[in-house]
Amino acid sequence: DVKVTQSSRYLVKRTGEKVFLECVQDMDHENMFWYRQDPGLGLRLIYFSYDVKMKEKGDIPEGYSVSREKKERFSLILESASTNQTSMYLCASSPSQGQGLAEAFFGQGTRLTVV
Amino acid sequence: SQKIEQNSEALNIQEGKTATLTCNYTNYSPAYLQWYRQDPGRGPVFLLLIRENEKEKRKERLKVTFDTTLKQSLFHITASQPADSATYLCAPFPSGGYNKLIFGAGTRLAVHP
Repeated sequence: DVKVTQSSRYLVKRTGEKVFLECVQDMDHENMFWYRQDPGLGLRLIYFSYDVKMKEKGDIPEGYSVSREKKERFSLILESASTNQTSMYLCASSPSQGQGLAEAFFGQGTRLTVV
Repeated sequence: SQKIEQNSEALNIQEGKTATLTCNYTNYSPAYLQWYRQDPGRGPVFLLLIRENEKEKRKERLKVTFDTTLKQSLFHITASQPADSATYLCAPFPSGGYNKLIFGAGTRLAVHP
């Protein structure tokens, strides 16, 4: 079974802290994604990566950065956490297939609260 | 800009009926479209993929259509059951950037006994 594992299920951080959310996949997928999900707004893409050390901005990258030093690991970094970054964060991975992607596999999510 | 629209209102149906969910997209031409199911507090799970040259795809009680002229996909669940209650998300692909995967906001389905 494909497994996408996020480092924490629940996280509480203080305003201004630097926060690291880690995601590891065990299926050698080229593509990895970070989303946040808020009620009524659906899944919004923050950043994605199609290869090691490669990253692309999604639709809402402000306030976030990412790191992909190894193929299996994709980290989301909140440089200085703010209360408006309180959300559910979801990581996903997907293999490349032809000119596009095959199905995406998601982690269990990290519910981050910034106080 | 690219836009994906799914009915934001919840769909309430009676057990045994067919549920039909809609996904509309504008300002791009996806090569294929994926549908996912999401249960509360969990990550989405892939259900079906349909390509632009396929009019219809089936998997057990699920049926997906893809009309590139109307820029619309319909997702049907026949003989619906309470266990089908969840939020269903569509993801037309590609969405602009290389391997960029974005989703509609999803439609919540509630199947009542």
